Amino acid sequence: EVQLLESGGGLVQPGGSLRLSCAASAFTFSSYAMSWVRQAPGNGLEWVSGISGSGVTTHYANSVKGRFTISRDNSQNTLYLQMNSLRAEDTAIYYCAKSLGSTTLRHMDVWGQGTTVTVSS
Amino acid sequence: DIVLTQSPATLSLSPGERATLSCRASQSVSSYLAWYQQKPGQAPRLLIYDASNRATGIPARFSGSGSGTDFTLTISGLEPEDFAVYYCQQGSNWPLTFGGGTKVEIK
Repeated sequence: EVQLLESGGGLVQPGGSLRLSCAASAFTFSSYAMSWVRQAPGNGLEWVSGISGSGVTTHYANSVKGRFTISRDNSQNTLYLQMNSLRAEDTAIYYCAKSLGSTTLRHMDVWGQGTTVTVSS
Repeated sequence: DIVLTQSPATLSLSPGERATLSCRASQSVSSYLAWYQQKPGQAPRLLIYDASNRATGIPARFSGSGSGTDFTLTISGLEPEDFAVYYCQQGSNWPLTFGGGTKVEIK
């Protein structure tokens, strides 16, 4: 069964940093683009960042550009999100998600259960 | 960024009734529109991709239609497990964007 397992969430002070990880299993990880999507408490879904299967191409939401960095280690089947200069508005559940198709990232067919990030002093 | 506007915000229906959810894009997204279902405390689940294709394991009562800027998700006869929040998402342009969601609640 295809699975994604996020980790690394927690409580961090404003201005601080955090690194999220997403361990993938039961599919050819390097063949699929991946995304991070977040959901603030009581709010809707917000796409955060995406990365191609090779890791060469990355995209970001305007709200995190310059502060967050997405990366992947295909030898370890793991996706990462480095989050710097964190703000209260970054407080959310962060989901990693697998691209439906192997060629482009348009839609997401497998999601992890999420990891919670809280930015507060 | 492409803005997706979902309507209505809340839909109050009874089991067995037909649900019609709308998603309108601020510019054309061709057919690159997906629908997700989310229940409380759970991750989203892909229902429909490329506007009208059901994802693996999704029951036939879920159908999608539309292209360009106007899209519809139809649930032909609501089952108790279908009461949830539904989001549309465009995969045409970066950044990817989601609509604000439609909550389908029991009347």
